[in-house]
Amino acid sequence: NAGVTQTPKFQVLKTGQSMTLQCAQDMNHNSMYWYRQDPGMGLRLIYYSASEGTTDKGEVPNGYNVSRLNKREFSLRLESAAPSQTSVYFCASSTEAKGQPQHFGDGTRLSIL
Amino acid sequence: EDQVTQSPEALRLQEGESSSLNCSYTVSGLRGLFWYRQDPGKGPEFLFTLYSAGEEKEKERLKATLTKKESFLHITAPKPEDSATYLCAVGTGNQFYFGTGTSLTVIP
Repeated sequence: NAGVTQTPKFQVLKTGQSMTLQCAQDMNHNSMYWYRQDPGMGLRLIYYSASEGTTDKGEVPNGYNVSRLNKREFSLRLESAAPSQTSVYFCASSTEAKGQPQHFGDGTRLSIL
Repeated sequence: EDQVTQSPEALRLQEGESSSLNCSYTVSGLRGLFWYRQDPGKGPEFLFTLYSAGEEKEKERLKATLTKKESFLHITAPKPEDSATYLCAVGTGNQFYFGTGTSLTVIP
């Protein structure tokens, strides 16, 4: 039971570089989410996808883009990384439409120098 | 403004010493209150959902309760393996808000 798989687990970037964080779930869930977790702050929603081909902005979408490639995969792209985007990024999935995120991946730890 | 506050930020307990974690909220139209456990280096793991005041849920040494303004996560006779950060979150309308968590350490 893999659940939600995120790659890579760790990444260091220089300011201005771009990269894509990958997420895949094998539970046939419709809804997928991208969150960031920063010290002293609760998990904050970046983007949400209710189904293949649909995405919605969350609380902190600036500087990010997403793609829901198919039902399984939901990627997060940083086009021009900034130090303020240093964070731990979590992908999650759920059965409900924009409901409670039920299953989380183990995160991508991203540092931007 | 919708808000979720957890206290204390950190809690150290001796093994077997029972205690409670608090999650207070001010939201309009609560759809549900959720508790998660997060181990270091891992993603949150869902524990409980509470939907209405007076509701209680239990799992092993954990019991979650809900009032109109707050939720408690009671930990009875904790063991070292209960050490983790416990997150609460509330759902309201189309929004979902996480608290900052309580870091629990249980000392053998």
